[in-house]
Amino acid sequence: KAGVTQTPRYLIKTRGQQVTLSCSPISGHRSVSWYQQTPGQGLQFLFEYFSETQRNKGNFPGRFSGRQFSNSRSEMNVSTLELGDSALYLCASSSTAGAAEKQFFGPGTRLTVL
Amino acid sequence: GNSVTQMEGPVTLSEEAFLTINCTYTATGYPSLFWYVQYPGEGLQLLLKATKADDKGSNKGFEATYRKETTSFHLEKGSVQVSDSAVYFCALTGGFKTIFGAGTRLFVKA
Repeated sequence: KAGVTQTPRYLIKTRGQQVTLSCSPISGHRSVSWYQQTPGQGLQFLFEYFSETQRNKGNFPGRFSGRQFSNSRSEMNVSTLELGDSALYLCASSSTAGAAEKQFFGPGTRLTVL
Repeated sequence: GNSVTQMEGPVTLSEEAFLTINCTYTATGYPSLFWYVQYPGEGLQLLLKATKADDKGSNKGFEATYRKETTSFHLEKGSVQVSDSAVYFCALTGGFKTIFGAGTRLFVKA
């Protein structure tokens, strides 16, 4: 069974640009969660999608948005990039919404904002 | 709201030393508690979990006990190996959200 895949693995953007990250969950998983990982803040929850609906949202500004498609693949978009958005963005999939113990994480997308 | 606090790193140990990484939490209700590990260049992997008070989670020589009276879930291992070098995250789930600690980086020297 293939694991969670994230594309691209590395990304460099400049301030003010926008970026879209993609996550393909494990086959059969309907829940996708997104996290931002930074050295100073650790791992912070962005949002969770289940069956194309956003189930939970963390405390991030509206510049951060996401969506999920009918095949459970998810995208995360960040508009008007700021230097502080530089981070590792992780997605995790599970078969059940909100089930942390059943989450499988992808390797992440490393975003650098210059 | 719910929160997780874990000891700051990095923690540097020699091989075969005893490891403790402290984790305390604040939560309403009865959350489930987890330890995740992140090896260099990889995503997080679930290391162990405990779902109720006094439960002990264990895996790969690591263990942690859910202590409700002290709101703690400290990670321990009796004898660390170089291959245990990684970042360790304490986490809790409550209300369908997972809250992670800031992570503790562990370096194990041969």
